[in-house]
Amino acid sequence: AQSVAQPEDQVKVAEGNPLTVKCTYSVSGNPYLFWYVQYPNRGLQFLLKYITGDNLVKGSYGFEAEFNKSQTSFHLKKPSALVSDSALYFCAVRDEGGSYIPTFGRGTSLIVHP
Amino acid sequence: KAGVTQTPRYLIKTRGQQVTLSCSPISGHRSVSWYQQTPGQGLQFLFEYFSETQRNKGNFPGRFSGRQFSNSRSEMNVSTLELGDSALYLCASSETGQVPDTQYFGPGTRLTVL
Repeated sequence: AQSVAQPEDQVKVAEGNPLTVKCTYSVSGNPYLFWYVQYPNRGLQFLLKYITGDNLVKGSYGFEAEFNKSQTSFHLKKPSALVSDSALYFCAVRDEGGSYIPTFGRGTSLIVHP
Repeated sequence: KAGVTQTPRYLIKTRGQQVTLSCSPISGHRSVSWYQQTPGQGLQFLFEYFSETQRNKGNFPGRFSGRQFSNSRSEMNVSTLELGDSALYLCASSETGQVPDTQYFGPGTRLTVL
């Protein structure tokens, strides 16, 4: 079985500060991990994914995520937050040997204040 | 390439009615998945179609059904609407639906049941 957890319902940061949105996962085999962002009344936009290789994955809009196998984590990061980054962020996992269907976390609301 | 499109964007129905939602995937994508998003339950997987066949199904009652056409366009139908069916319905497409394909989401259809 595969599962993913986003332990924080909400993260608040000041504009210009670094941000981290946390994600931990559980799979039987090797994980494929994804981050999506959702703006109000919109669909999910793909940010980045980890399949294999370098543990630091770079994605859209200056976001990056670090895969940590020992901690089963895939935290999303950005060095300098923008007010426009305020949105709902979803982590998703697929098990290499498992279901085609990803399991999504419940989402983390990121609020970047001026 | 054009993204995933969904029509209509907004729908208002009354209890007991039925509704059909449409999704056009990204050109070349053969897998289409449907999700229901609500504030309380988050993103819940409904079903996935590939080459006109339902390949995966989530845990939803039989009132929820779908189909896929030969051009990969997909529709989902909800019969005998209930108040609890009010949600954002998201369609996502991917090339094959195989791990580790990335799913790309449409803007969603906001269904309100009165």
